[in-house]
Amino acid sequence: SQKIEQNSEALNIQEGKTATLTCNYTNYSPAYLQWYRQDPGRGPVFLLLIRENEKEKRKERLKVTFDTTLKQSLFHITASQPADSATYLCALVLLYGGATNKLIFGTGTLLAVQP
Amino acid sequence: KAGVTQTPRYLIKTRGQQVTLSCSPISGHRSVSWYQQTPGQGLQFLFEYFSETQRNKGNFPGRFSGRQFSNSRSEMNVSTLELGDSALYLCASSLVGTRGEQFFGPGTRLTVL
Repeated sequence: SQKIEQNSEALNIQEGKTATLTCNYTNYSPAYLQWYRQDPGRGPVFLLLIRENEKEKRKERLKVTFDTTLKQSLFHITASQPADSATYLCALVLLYGGATNKLIFGTGTLLAVQP
Repeated sequence: KAGVTQTPRYLIKTRGQQVTLSCSPISGHRSVSWYQQTPGQGLQFLFEYFSETQRNKGNFPGRFSGRQFSNSRSEMNVSTLELGDSALYLCASSLVGTRGEQFFGPGTRLTVL
């Protein structure tokens, strides 16, 4: 069956440390992978997109890796801050030809950064 | 530039009723997608409209339908509401569709009693 799994438990880390979130998928062949942040009561906010032929992407304190052999993406936040506390969602972009695509979201990981 | 807006923000309905939710995308975005978010199932894709045509569809029953107008505004309709339809309904707009960056609205919280 097709699955997208993110860290099942909430992730608690100390301020200043690096947070590493995982996204594993089964029986999908995504062309792209996106990461979003969602705060309570709000819609998700786009963070980064990485293509299947890219191994790594960086944006300020954020870094995403994409390993199509392991079927896994890792999302890193360096020098984490309490303001980084939120739910982080990975999303697979599936291309079916032409303009037919789907965006499939993982269940999300709740990150809590302790001061 | 104004963000994605959704109306209403909160809605309470009873079983069997029908509901219409509205979404105004970011100016210039022709793609509008709808998602259902529940604690148990997470964020699930409902459908995508692009230039007034439904381009992609998720695995939801026919009670869920939508449309897009010439100004890219979109509406989503759910008929014969069930308790399980209680959820946060999110709309997202994009320049290129589901393969690109999605800009989400704040959502409509629907409660079915």
